[in-house]
Amino acid sequence: ELKVEQNPLFLSMQEGKNYTIYCNYSTTSDRLYWYRQDPGKSLESLFVLLSNGAVKQEGRLMASLDTKARLSTLHITAAVHDLSATYFCAAIKAAGNKLTFGGGTRVLVKP
Amino acid sequence: DAGVIQSPRHEVTEMGQEVTLRCKPISGHDYLFWYRQTMMRGLELLIYFNNNVPIDDSGMPEDRFSAKMPNASFSTLKIQPSEPRDSAVYFCASSLWRGSNQPQHFGDGTRLSIL
Repeated sequence: ELKVEQNPLFLSMQEGKNYTIYCNYSTTSDRLYWYRQDPGKSLESLFVLLSNGAVKQEGRLMASLDTKARLSTLHITAAVHDLSATYFCAAIKAAGNKLTFGGGTRVLVKP
Repeated sequence: DAGVIQSPRHEVTEMGQEVTLRCKPISGHDYLFWYRQTMMRGLELLIYFNNNVPIDDSGMPEDRFSAKMPNASFSTLKIQPSEPRDSAVYFCASSLWRGSNQPQHFGDGTRLSIL
């Protein structure tokens, strides 16, 4: 059974500083997703990572994937208040279709 | 493009009543997924369909839950009879075929409260 763990569960950030969220998964996966969820809202897709060493960037967010370590990271550069949300990673087992989500990281950016 | 459309957005009903949640996937998507989100258990996959056929319902918690997809543009998730522990946000998501490497797209969810 695929298990996905995120840490930390909660991250209080100061504006302008850099932070990283970690996502570990337990078995072979060939794709890793990052989603953002604002309170009371839906999940918005941020990144799809498909191969070892994949790196994707959008604005202040950068995601990477190390399939050998079964680890993905979401790096936040120079945090701003608008980035306050809950971030989820999710993985799919190789050749599968079921997304397994991590527990989420609640991010609060303080001025 | 219209996204995944769910209805109702909110549902409050009494224990024992039947609840039907509805979902319209993005046109052209082959896969449809139903998820449940709670504080205690996070996001859980309940069931998913491929080309209107249920593929994996191992996440459906009990026989009180059932899901159908009568055509490519409509799916329902039914709870009968409902219980207070079914209170959660239920999301529907759809996606293209696996090889497209595209993410699942989520609807706005149905916030269900069983009194």
